[in-house]
Amino acid sequence: QVQLQESGPGLVKPSETLSLTCTVSGGSMTNYFWSWFRQPPGKGLEWIGYNDHIGSANYNPSLKSRVVISVDTSKNQFSLKMNSVIAADTAVYYCARSFGSGITGLYDSWGRGTLVAVSS
Amino acid sequence: DIVMTQSPDSLAVSLGERATINCKSSQSLFYRSNSKNYLGWYQLKPGQPPKLLVYWASTRQSGVPDRISGSGSVTDFTLTISSLQAEDVALYYCQQYFDIPWTFGQGTKVEIK
Repeated sequence: QVQLQESGPGLVKPSETLSLTCTVSGGSMTNYFWSWFRQPPGKGLEWIGYNDHIGSANYNPSLKSRVVISVDTSKNQFSLKMNSVIAADTAVYYCARSFGSGITGLYDSWGRGTLVAVSS
Repeated sequence: DIVMTQSPDSLAVSLGERATINCKSSQSLFYRSNSKNYLGWYQLKPGQPPKLLVYWASTRQSGVPDRISGSGSVTDFTLTISSLQAEDVALYYCQQYFDIPWTFGQGTKVEIK
């Protein structure tokens, strides 16, 4: 059974770059889409974007200008980089794997999430 | 963006009783070419990964107990827990995957009365 684990700094300063990595174990990275989501404190879930092993990326238009998601199959990892962060980017960040190769928007395997606070 | 609106925001139900969560989308989630509704339901518990419960509006994910079911079509959808158990206490979210950006409802908190 595939497992996903987020890692990265829990605190980022305003205007700096948030960088998170998701390590995938127990499954192949090909034939799936890999997404990041987030949940700000007290708010709902928000999709950030996805990519696959051949670079078919797509992002939430509200974040597109600040976000890059990349996939490294040799390391069984994918990553999120978000630049120019502000306090409103404080959230629990989740990585997730798509349900299958044909459905980019449905996710059946998730990490437990990692809290990232943006503060000076 | 497709706006997803859930109701109620929270509900308290006695053990063994029915819990019903509604989800309404701002536009149709029904894709005529395959006759499917692009709507899923997730369960979130603190410290645990989100869990996919239902997809295509009414298909139960493998391993999900049959007391949990999804229904509805086009713009109006429902998640039903037919007999609430203690382990069902959680936040529940509907999500549309019809169009990018994928969007979620605001969540419904289910508690024991």
